Amino acid sequence: DAGITQSPRHKVTETGTPVTLRCHQTENHRYMYWYRQDPGHGLRLIHYSYGVKDTDKGEVSDGYSVSRSKTEDFLLTLESATSSQTSVYFCATSKRTGQGIDYGYTFGSGTRLTVV
Amino acid sequence: AQKITQTQPGMFVQEKEAVTLDCTYDTSDPSYGLFWYKQPSSGEMIFLIYQGSYDQQNATEGRYSLNFQKARKSANLVISASQLGDSAMYFCAMKISGGGNKLTFGTGTQLKVEL
Repeated sequence: DAGITQSPRHKVTETGTPVTLRCHQTENHRYMYWYRQDPGHGLRLIHYSYGVKDTDKGEVSDGYSVSRSKTEDFLLTLESATSSQTSVYFCATSKRTGQGIDYGYTFGSGTRLTVV
Repeated sequence: AQKITQTQPGMFVQEKEAVTLDCTYDTSDPSYGLFWYKQPSSGEMIFLIYQGSYDQQNATEGRYSLNFQKARKSANLVISASQLGDSAMYFCAMKISGGGNKLTFGTGTQLKVEL
């Protein structure tokens, strides 16, 4: 069983349509994140969650909302998709670490979203 | 706010040679961690190596080592004995203590290993 599952893996949608991407984890990690990856920009944080019902904005949150009703699931919603939201979306999780080695994040496989 | 800078959009290296991928960072927080990830053409993100700001020695993981120069705020990745399978995008990232455990990424370096 994969630790993090993103669905769908690919989606084409029309401008103005609402879209929801799902991230499901079996790691029991407290923290969950949504990033978008675009050429020349690397990965940029959209929103993150530090617990059930606890979420906060990242650097590129405009046009996106999130919800986390269970530890395992973190949903990203584009209320009204625009062409500028065409991107690859990554979900990631992490557990709070103390001293010593830190593996950072566990990443999902990504969702390729195209808004036409 | 923290920032990661990767100034090499693309790099070429010959098979079996060593290559250094540059990364500089900016933060005022004294406690932070630096990471390198590899993203092959298949798209997954693979953790390579980690360096804590208080670590006295440079991190090493197999053929990967991190050249950590704290005073210069640089955390360059060195790949020794390059292999064709090392061709990928490489991202440097930083996490500061607290603040939601968030990673800030650089823009990446596309490495191509040639015969």
